[in-house]
Amino acid sequence: GAVVSQHPSWVICKSGTSVKIECRSLDFQATTMFWYRQFPKQSLMLMATSNEGSKATYEQGVEKDKFLINHASLTLSTLTVTSAHPEDSSFYICSAPSGGSASSKAFFGQGTRLTVV
Amino acid sequence: GQQVMQIPQYQHVQEGEDFTTYCNSSTTLSNIQWYKQRPGGHPVFLIQLVKSGEVKKQKRLTFQFGEAKKNSSLHITATQTTDVGTYFCAGPRNNNDMRFGAGTRLTVKP
Repeated sequence: GAVVSQHPSWVICKSGTSVKIECRSLDFQATTMFWYRQFPKQSLMLMATSNEGSKATYEQGVEKDKFLINHASLTLSTLTVTSAHPEDSSFYICSAPSGGSASSKAFFGQGTRLTVV
Repeated sequence: GQQVMQIPQYQHVQEGEDFTTYCNSSTTLSNIQWYKQRPGGHPVFLIQLVKSGEVKKQKRLTFQFGEAKKNSSLHITATQTTDVGTYFCAGPRNNNDMRFGAGTRLTVKP
């Protein structure tokens, strides 16, 4: 079945540094990928939609200059948390729809647990 | 905008008891999906419902899509400890992305 790989699975960084998270679709092409943030025991909050070859679409309240998204190929999207602060600590998770539609069955990456100290 | 509401937020059951989570949308959905997220894990696709009034079963799990395609439910018969996790419903928003419900966190006491 379709697989989405996310790396790293966890990262600890110092306040003020930047962290890059990769999301790869291993056996299918994804023109669209989604980035979510999940706080403990809460739901998935959509941060942005990553579009291959064009700018990402950010949800209201998400700072695009802080959360840089690049979708350089049909199998790779990256999320860079710039100048990270402790309040950015969270579980970040990506997904990619398996079909041609953004509303088709989604496969999720394993998630990245970011801790900013 | 389109919202997907899910209840209850938490459910604690004794092993062997049944469990149901409900999902309601403010708008008609073209389809609804259900996912399960185990503690510490990532969401895993369970099923997609497309037709009005559709009912699908996966062993002890029964999924229903309402006649008006605005609500859905997931029912687990005779829960087991392996059913522990958070169950999310999700509906498409303008065919651009999926809106997830808040999730129902199920705990099962052996």
